[in-house]
Amino acid sequence: GAVVSQHPSWVICKSGTSVKIECRSLDFQATTMFWYRQFPKQSLMLMATSNEGSKATYEQGVEKDKFLINHASLTLSTLTVTSAHPEDSSFYICSALASGRLGEQYFGPGTRLTVT
Amino acid sequence: GENVEQHPSTLSVQEGDSAVIKCTYSDSASNYFPWYKQELGKGPQLIIDIRSNVGEKKDQRIAVTLNKTAKHFSLHITETQPEDSAVYFCAASTRGNTPLVFGKGTRLSVIA
Repeated sequence: GAVVSQHPSWVICKSGTSVKIECRSLDFQATTMFWYRQFPKQSLMLMATSNEGSKATYEQGVEKDKFLINHASLTLSTLTVTSAHPEDSSFYICSALASGRLGEQYFGPGTRLTVT
Repeated sequence: GENVEQHPSTLSVQEGDSAVIKCTYSDSASNYFPWYKQELGKGPQLIIDIRSNVGEKKDQRIAVTLNKTAKHFSLHITETQPEDSAVYFCAASTRGNTPLVFGKGTRLSVIA
């Protein structure tokens, strides 16, 4: 139980294009999902909190117009990196908060984004 | 806000020995403390967690202890194996639906 999937696992795109990353909780409902970014050999940096049916809450310094988050159902959240630039290249990881299991977060396998 | 410090940043142990990773937190309102294992190129995997109403929790070779007074918690891995080699992160959160605050991670190497 408590499996979270991400798609795609890796993507290469050209500068200026947009990329959508999906995060799904496969066997549980998640009213809250989180999106993180991780640089090599560093810890996870929280980008935003995604709540089902409402607008995402972004951390300071994260551009909401660049990183569009949609949490349309209890099992799916999407992150769209718009007008991607090479500096957006990173490892993006989502996590899902298990409803009713206070505090337990389960992470997806991550998406490696490379912008050329 | 919450601040989580994690030590050491790297740790090498011989296979079969024990490994201990320590974390401290700043917010006395924190009540949930998970530990994650991250292998290269993968997402973090929850390996054990503890809540503030418990002082110790064990799951086979892995144990976590919590000292609320001192605001620190530790991960203990006994009889280490090469497959335990990974980066381990501690984290803390103050309420059930708030984001986790992570430590900077510990790179554990188990030498066969």
